Amino acid sequence: GAGVSQSPSNKVTEKGKDVELRCDPISGHTALYWYRQSLGQGLEFLIYFQGNSAPDKSGLPSDRFSAERTGGSVSTLTIQRTQQEDSAVYLCASSFGTGGEKLFFGSGTQLSVL
Amino acid sequence: AQKVTQAQTEISVVEKEDVTLDCVYETRDTTYYLFWYKQPPSGELVFLIRRNSFDEQNEISGRYSWNFQKSTSSFNFTITASQVVDSAVYFCALISPTSGTYKYIFGTGTRLKVLA
Repeated sequence: GAGVSQSPSNKVTEKGKDVELRCDPISGHTALYWYRQSLGQGLEFLIYFQGNSAPDKSGLPSDRFSAERTGGSVSTLTIQRTQQEDSAVYLCASSFGTGGEKLFFGSGTQLSVL
Repeated sequence: AQKVTQAQTEISVVEKEDVTLDCVYETRDTTYYLFWYKQPPSGELVFLIRRNSFDEQNEISGRYSWNFQKSTSSFNFTITASQVVDSAVYFCALISPTSGTYKYIFGTGTRLKVLA
């Protein structure tokens, strides 16, 4: 597609359930980022992938959060045993590299944990 | 440590007024990049501008202009003759690739409301 695609756009889940969020970056973009935006807050870095290098997971808030990127393209962010404080918009972005290129963002996944 | 501060949480202006959004950054690196993004009510962040640390030239694009001053570590954004469609949250961001970290550090954003 022409832009970064995220699915689902909305996800409502019950506390304790696992969720998977998907990001399909722009074709050819080697860098992929996940950010979290809580209501009225800024963007909190979660993780990034760059080519075949080991991902930087330093922003993941707990071991309930994990992410993978298969074949250097699609990425999945998994949250296990969801908690109410996980409710937020999860944003994915991609870029040609990590040398200061601009990020292209998806529309995000609104996660609501009841 | 790297940090971006947007001290203005929310600004309200009347249409056609000029408005400046402030951004102050912190980094020890000499090579870095600064960005502004716009997040309209629809939610998707839209890129506005990118500047590198070696280029302090101010830039104007239509009604938008940016003032980059290394002496004060600021990268302010001015909208001239604001319009209702400018209503959005604006984020300033920083990355210092030579530091070994490739995270984009975002400020907390400034919500701009332009009233008709």
